[in-house]
Amino acid sequence: EAGVAQSPRYKIIEKRQSVAFWCNPISGHATLYWYQQILGQGPKLLIQFQNNGVVDDSQLPKDRFSAERLKGVDSTLKIQPAKLEDSAVYLCASSLDRLVMNSPLHFGNGTRLTVT
Amino acid sequence: AQSVAQPEDQVNVAEGNPLTVKCTYSVSGNPYLFWYVQYPNRGLQFLLKYITGDNLVKGSYGFEAEFNKSQTSFHLKKPSALVSDSALYFCAVIPHGNNRLAFGKGNQVVVIP
Repeated sequence: EAGVAQSPRYKIIEKRQSVAFWCNPISGHATLYWYQQILGQGPKLLIQFQNNGVVDDSQLPKDRFSAERLKGVDSTLKIQPAKLEDSAVYLCASSLDRLVMNSPLHFGNGTRLTVT
Repeated sequence: AQSVAQPEDQVNVAEGNPLTVKCTYSVSGNPYLFWYVQYPNRGLQFLLKYITGDNLVKGSYGFEAEFNKSQTSFHLKKPSALVSDSALYFCAVIPHGNNRLAFGKGNQVVVIP
């Protein structure tokens, strides 16, 4: 099966600019996650979707981050305006079941964002 | 709040020797525990999980992990390491009733030929 696709692979922007990341999950996976992985740290959940609905966005900095999954398949994550501390790898993951204990997460290769 | 500690930054092991990657956790109640691996230029991949039952769980690529409730540990092991096992290994935990994975900072494993 095709894996989780993410683009772009790398992005460099200046602070206060905006940026968007795209994710296409594995076909048939209703659950989609966005994680932020800062260098030297483990991934941190930003938002979880079930189909096109938000399940958990409690750790999403909503003043600057937004995400959508309008048709329940592809998803975009946007940062506006970016700050230096947003430099990280943004990971998209998908799974068959909304409960993490029931089915493993399948991760994409990530988008490495550098904010200068 | 749940947390995971992976105390070693890097684990070096000779090919053919046993490999152990350490993980301790802190949660309220009983945990669900996971190991994920990240190979160079690849996304994280699921290795194994402990939900309930037998404390020794077996996973992909010959890896296994033992849940030790008294020591709050979930160490990852492989009897004979391969050079291809060189990767970044993440331990993760969620407490019962929660659905948010808390990842450790990861351990870089280097298997020396």
